[in-house]
Amino acid sequence: GQNIDQPTEMTATEGAIVQINCTYQTSGFNGLFWYQQHAGEAPTFLSYNVLDGLEEKGRFSSFLSRSKGYSYLLLKELQMKDSASYLCAVRDSNYQLIWGAGTKLIIKP
Amino acid sequence: DAEITQSPRHKITETGRQVTLACHQTWNHNNMFWYRQDLGHGLRLIHYSYGVQDTNKGEVSDGYSVSRSNTEDLPLTLESAASSQTSVYFCASSESNEGGRTFFGPGTRLTVL
Repeated sequence: GQNIDQPTEMTATEGAIVQINCTYQTSGFNGLFWYQQHAGEAPTFLSYNVLDGLEEKGRFSSFLSRSKGYSYLLLKELQMKDSASYLCAVRDSNYQLIWGAGTKLIIKP
Repeated sequence: DAEITQSPRHKITETGRQVTLACHQTWNHNNMFWYRQDLGHGLRLIHYSYGVQDTNKGEVSDGYSVSRSNTEDLPLTLESAASSQTSVYFCASSESNEGGRTFFGPGTRLTVL
């Protein structure tokens, strides 16, 4: 079956750096997405990786290793507003998005 | 600005009733999706459509149906609501290109008593 694993919850301190990992086993691979979801709101797009390596976008970076079935989202200079759930999703060979259950990130002052 | 709207935002209904959740997008996307989101689960795909008159079942389609008569709308119908269908429902649409992002509506919180 298809599976995406992420930690359920992480805690970090304001101003620090946090890395959220995502491992996947899917039927084919056509890209990996990270979304942010604040409590009670809809998910919003953060990043997309289809080739191995690091994609940087401001305070957020996303890394992909296709051979290892692994990605991480790196958040720098954490702010209180970064408290949210972070969802990893993989587009499989049928171009369907398979979603992880999400990682709830708690930021402490 | 383009957007996706859902209505109602909150709905309480009784077991056995038919319920329809509306979804309207102005992105002009061909791809549209309905997901449900429950604690401890990722987003689970209910139905999806790649264009007008096209509909497909997702992984949790039992008890749900959709129709696509135009590009903008994909209503979701619960034929006979069950308590197991209490959930938050998200409608989404996506760009068709490689790397195409998915955009979500604000969600509908449905409670079946």
